Amino acid sequence: QKEVEQNSGPLSVPEGAIASLNCTYSDRGSQSFFWYRQYSGKSPELIMSIYSNGDKEDGRFTAQLNKASQYVSLLIRDSQPSDSATYLCAVKRGNEKLTFGTGTRLTIIP
Amino acid sequence: GAVVSQHPSWVICKSGTSVKIECRSLDFQATTMFWYRQFPKQSLMLMATSNEGSKATYEQGVEKDKFLINHASLTLSTLTVTSAHPEDSSFYICSARDPEFIQYFGAGTRLSVL
Repeated sequence: QKEVEQNSGPLSVPEGAIASLNCTYSDRGSQSFFWYRQYSGKSPELIMSIYSNGDKEDGRFTAQLNKASQYVSLLIRDSQPSDSATYLCAVKRGNEKLTFGTGTRLTIIP
Repeated sequence: GAVVSQHPSWVICKSGTSVKIECRSLDFQATTMFWYRQFPKQSLMLMATSNEGSKATYEQGVEKDKFLINHASLTLSTLTVTSAHPEDSSFYICSARDPEFIQYFGAGTRLSVL
């Protein structure tokens, strides 16, 4: 059983719309949650971190965490073609190593 | 965000030679760094965890004698691919963990073994 699950996509969203990326995790002891963006041929780049239940907003990005449901999501408002990338969800417990999902490939259609 | 520098970004070598990749945390001290490998269209695969001043911890299936890791200072970890073969061709990415336990990635090294 995968520890962090993401829909691999591809997820296609029209430019200007809201892109919604979802992630579930199996370890109830997970305490820290991260979203990374990875462009093709590049390394991952940290977008958001979230530690408490609820929403956290940063510009066009909103991370949502529901620990009871073991669910974390990333919303991208006003999607732009430059948002087209693979989005990696990562979780960890304490100071242990990150566990990554396999990523969701997002394509923003102009 | 924090900056992690990785060099070289691209290397081509002959089969049987060794290649060293450097990973530096530029604006923070990193007691822990990580080395990943990624094949085309596949997900990140953790190879090993590098701890400053101690031996690296390798993931199952990763040959520690082939992938030598040295973390001699709080800002530098190196990965040496020894006796490289074409099947070692891949995208190698390092990551450094800052004092708040957030991981930042280097730009990656694309290794091609001929």
